[in-house]
Amino acid sequence: DTGVSQDPRHKITKRGQNVTFRCDPISEHNRLYWYRQTLGQGPEFLTYFQNEAQLEKSRLLSDRFSAERPKGSFSTLEIQRTEQGDSAMYLCASSFGQGWTEAFFGQGTRLTVV
Amino acid sequence: GNSVTQMEGPVTLSEEAFLTINCTYTATGYPSLFWYVQYPGEGLQLLLKATKADDKGSNKGFEATYRKETTSFHLEKGSVQVSDSAVYFCALTPFGNEKLTFGTGTRLTIIP
Repeated sequence: DTGVSQDPRHKITKRGQNVTFRCDPISEHNRLYWYRQTLGQGPEFLTYFQNEAQLEKSRLLSDRFSAERPKGSFSTLEIQRTEQGDSAMYLCASSFGQGWTEAFFGQGTRLTVV
Repeated sequence: GNSVTQMEGPVTLSEEAFLTINCTYTATGYPSLFWYVQYPGEGLQLLLKATKADDKGSNKGFEATYRKETTSFHLEKGSVQVSDSAVYFCALTPFGNEKLTFGTGTRLTIIP
C-alpha cells in the first residue's frame, strides 16, 4: 500500500469555476477526513466519513462545499463557484478502527484561485 | 472550544543543539495530545502522542510530557540533526472524538 493518495497535487482555477479533488485512502481504512490548511496556519477540520456515511461537518464547510464517499472507499471534495478565499492546501487523511486511531495524511491538493 | 497555541517560529538551530518547541492547549475534559511533523514535500506524520496526564510520548529522540496542571505539551530533543528540519504541529483531540485541532505549526531549520 502506498499510503493516502490525493489528486491532483496542484490546481489553479479562475474565480467562479467549480473544482473537484479526489482522495484515495489506505486500503480498508474505514474513516476518512478532510482538512484545509491556509498559509501559515495549521490544518482545520472540514468533514469526516465513517465508511460511506458523512458523520460530521465543520461550520467552515459552506454550502459551496460538498464531500462524498459513495462506496466507502475513495472520496471527492467539490467546491462550487470558487472564491479567492478558497485558496489553500486541502488535506485528506484516513484511519482504521474504533475510537482514536492514528490518521495517515496524504500530501494534499494545493488550490490557487485567481 | 478547543484550541492549541504553539510558539511562534521559525526556529533555527545548529546541529546538536537542544530543542524546545512550546505548546499549550485549551480543551474541555481530558484530551489526547499529539505532535505531528511535516517534512519537505511529504504529508503530515504522527511523531508522538500522549493520552493522559503525566504520560510521556517519545519517538526518534523527541519527547513531550502531558502536563495537565500547566495545560502544556512541549516538544524536546536533546541533540537535533539536519534531518529534523521540518514543520512541527501540536494537536489535540477530545476523548472519544477523532477531530484533530492543530496549532499553527513551527518551522524548524537545523544548520550543519
